[in-house]
Amino acid sequence: GAVVSQHPSWVICKSGTSVKIECRSLDFQATTMFWYRQFPKKSLMLMATSNEGSKATYEQGVEKDKFLINHASLTLSTLTVTSAHPEDSSFYICSARRTRETQYFGPGTRLLVL
Amino acid sequence: SQQGEEDPQALSIQEGENATMNCSYKTSINNLQWYRQNSGRGLVHLILIRSNEREKHSGRLRVTLDTSKKSSSLLITASRAADTASYFCATDDGGAQKLVFGQGTRLTINP
Repeated sequence: GAVVSQHPSWVICKSGTSVKIECRSLDFQATTMFWYRQFPKKSLMLMATSNEGSKATYEQGVEKDKFLINHASLTLSTLTVTSAHPEDSSFYICSARRTRETQYFGPGTRLLVL
Repeated sequence: SQQGEEDPQALSIQEGENATMNCSYKTSINNLQWYRQNSGRGLVHLILIRSNEREKHSGRLRVTLDTSKKSSSLLITASRAADTASYFCATDDGGAQKLVFGQGTRLTINP
């Protein structure tokens, strides 16, 4: 199957710093990628849809200035959590859409903000 | 926002038994997909069933879809310890081309 990677797999940072998470589709081009957030023992909440070469589409309630998304190429989307605070601690998962019906998910990034 | 609910939220069975999980959704869909997530990991796609299909099989997995009731079920037969994971249904409404996930079922297979 298709492979999507995320980097880093985990990160610990101090409150007030910014953290960048990368999502790469390794063996296919993805014009659309998605970013999700997942709290412990909860489901995935879609944060935003990342479109190559255009602005991301954010879900209601997601602060676009807080969670900056850049989809600069067909294989890379980045999520930057700006001025992170402890409440931003979570598991962030990306996915890349390969076909109209198929998404492949990355392994996730665990963020802990102290 | 979440599309719907999964039932049960947690399920614990003995190895070799069958496990059934249910998913309900609220809006019209183009397809429904089931995913597995091992603890602290990403999601693995299991099976996709389209709105014009009623049942689909893949190995030990059997998925049904009832669009009149807006519900789906995932049956895992002859369960194994390695099946221990969380299982999520996700719906694709065909419009926004994004998946909306259910709450998930945490399945534990006891050896």
